[in-house]
Amino acid sequence: DQQVKQNSPSLSVQEGRISILNCDYTNSMFDYFLWYKKYPAEGPTFLISISSIKDKNEDGRFTVFLNKSAKHLSLHIVPSQPGDSAVYFCAASARLTDKLIFGTGTRLQVFP
Amino acid sequence: KAGVTQTPRYLIKTRGQQVTLSCSPISGHRSVSWYQQTPGQGLQFLFEYFSETQRNKGNFPGRFSGRQFSNSRSEMNVSTLELGDSALYLCASSPVGGETQYFGPGTRLLVL
Repeated sequence: DQQVKQNSPSLSVQEGRISILNCDYTNSMFDYFLWYKKYPAEGPTFLISISSIKDKNEDGRFTVFLNKSAKHLSLHIVPSQPGDSAVYFCAASARLTDKLIFGTGTRLQVFP
Repeated sequence: KAGVTQTPRYLIKTRGQQVTLSCSPISGHRSVSWYQQTPGQGLQFLFEYFSETQRNKGNFPGRFSGRQFSNSRSEMNVSTLELGDSALYLCASSPVGGETQYFGPGTRLLVL
């Protein structure tokens, strides 16, 4: 049972445009959500997080939106840059546990 | 602060052997989690240790075990290796658990 789903395995965006990566979850106990970026042969790098008491969190070019009623979160990257090309994982955890449940990832390619 | 370190970075074993992987968390972090990444399954949670105690466990067979030392360093052991154990094994640490986890570069294990 996939509790965290990223239904788009890949996304291609032109440099300067907005990239929108989506993630859906099924477990209503999840209250903390994160996005990680991963390059080949490296560990995931933390990008941005959001707790369930918020519906938006912004950090520079990265914004995460959380829609609790729809059990949906999204990551917006504006403007997209070629260096953003990587696999993006969303992850979720329930209160006070360190068990992160990851989605299967979305490969973002930003082309000039 | 130094990041999470994992040794070795690459490992080749044969079926039936056993392997031990090591993880040193970020200084001051007491929670260490382990994940397995495979192309088909994405990132799967193995277990989490805090203060030398296993606090959470994923759905992996008993061949996968771990431990944590008093200095928060952690080891993961896989006995009776199978071909399907070939994967990238990632370690992540966080201060006390329930917050953002920071990943190491991973150990790539190949079982022949």
